[in-house]
Amino acid sequence: EAQVVESGGGLVQPGGSLRLSCAASGFTFSNSGMNWVRQAPGKGLEWISFISSGSGTRYYADSVKGRFTISRDNAKNSLHLQMNSLRADDTAVYYCAKDYYEDGVDVWGQGTTVTVSS
Amino acid sequence: SSELTQDPAVSVALGQTVRITCQGDSLRSYFAFWYQQKPGQAPVLVIYGKNKRPSGIPDRFSGSNSGNTASLTITGALAEDEADYFCSSRDNTGNLLYVFGTGTKVTVL
Repeated sequence: EAQVVESGGGLVQPGGSLRLSCAASGFTFSNSGMNWVRQAPGKGLEWISFISSGSGTRYYADSVKGRFTISRDNAKNSLHLQMNSLRADDTAVYYCAKDYYEDGVDVWGQGTTVTVSS
Repeated sequence: SSELTQDPAVSVALGQTVRITCQGDSLRSYFAFWYQQKPGQAPVLVIYGKNKRPSGIPDRFSGSNSGNTASLTITGALAEDEADYFCSSRDNTGNLLYVFGTGTKVTVL
């Protein structure tokens, strides 16, 4: 069964940095695109970043472009999101999500919570 | 713009049928994915592509598409189907990869 598990969330001050990780299992990670999707408290889902299986293609939502960097390590079945210059409106649960042929996402982790506050 | 619009809330009597709709320009080009999310839990994919269900999703969930509207139908709703439902599709504006709907809270009475 395909599974992804996020880690690395926490409380950070505005302007600070945080690195999220996602451990994948149960599927051929090196063949799958991966995404990060976030959900602010009481709000809907917001796609923020995608990385292709070989890291050759990366997309970002305008809301995080230039501040967040997605990366992966296929040898370790892991996905990462480096978040810099964090703002209060980045406060959210961040989900790692397996991509389904660039049509959508099909497997979600339980999420990791990021709180940006002084 | 990148938007998928859903009704905020719908209710359905136990055992009856409810249809949830999702509207947006991107749906003219791409199929909708539908997710169920219960409080404090991660979203779960229930419908994707042309009315496909992942393994383990009951056949009371079905999907359809017409023009700029996608629909998720729950036939014979159970108490356990009470949740938020989000649609999603590829974005057609070039600004995003995926756009998510605003979400519909389904209450089973």
